[in-house]
Amino acid sequence: EAGVAQSPRYKIIEKRQSVAFWCNPISGHATLYWYQQILGQGPKLLIQFQNNGVVDDSQLPKDRFSAERLKGVDSTLKIQPAKLEDSAVYLCASSRTGGQYSPLHFGNGTRLTVT
Amino acid sequence: GIQVEQSPPDLILQEGANSTLRCNFSDSVNNLQWFHQNPWGQLINLFYIPSGTKQNGRLSATTVATERYSLLYISSSQTTDSGVYFCAGPAGGSYIPTFGRGTSLIVHP
Repeated sequence: EAGVAQSPRYKIIEKRQSVAFWCNPISGHATLYWYQQILGQGPKLLIQFQNNGVVDDSQLPKDRFSAERLKGVDSTLKIQPAKLEDSAVYLCASSRTGGQYSPLHFGNGTRLTVT
Repeated sequence: GIQVEQSPPDLILQEGANSTLRCNFSDSVNNLQWFHQNPWGQLINLFYIPSGTKQNGRLSATTVATERYSLLYISSSQTTDSGVYFCAGPAGGSYIPTFGRGTSLIVHP
């Protein structure tokens, strides 16, 4: 089965610019996650979708970050305007159900550098 | 929220050595997973292990949910085992995986 697809692979922008990331989960996976991984740390959850509904976005900085998952399949994460501290790898993951017995599968990530 | 502590933070091994990585949780564990992040950043799911012991080749994992910890064993380590190992568990009553800070492993030839 095809894995989780993410694009772009790398992105360099200046602060105050906007950027968008795209994710296509594994076919049939109902749950989609966006994680932020800062260098030297573990991934931190930004938002979780179950189909096209938001399950948890408590750690998403809503003044500048937004995410959507139209039609319950692929998803986009947007940052507007970007800050220097947003430099990180943005990881998308999916799982079959989001409940028990549902391992996470990660994409390759998008490495964002804000200058 | 749940606290996830991993130890040791860093580990350097000679090829062929064995090692044990530990993950402690501040709350009950019911959905624990181990991941390997290779030097290119790809996160690979190694084990889904809410309880008990599982083995996959040279790797095995044990979770003791009642005591809130999990162990990852690497035997006869190889240079390709290098990278960062993460454990992830649920936050409170949800199934959303919360990650530890990881154990950075370097295996020298």
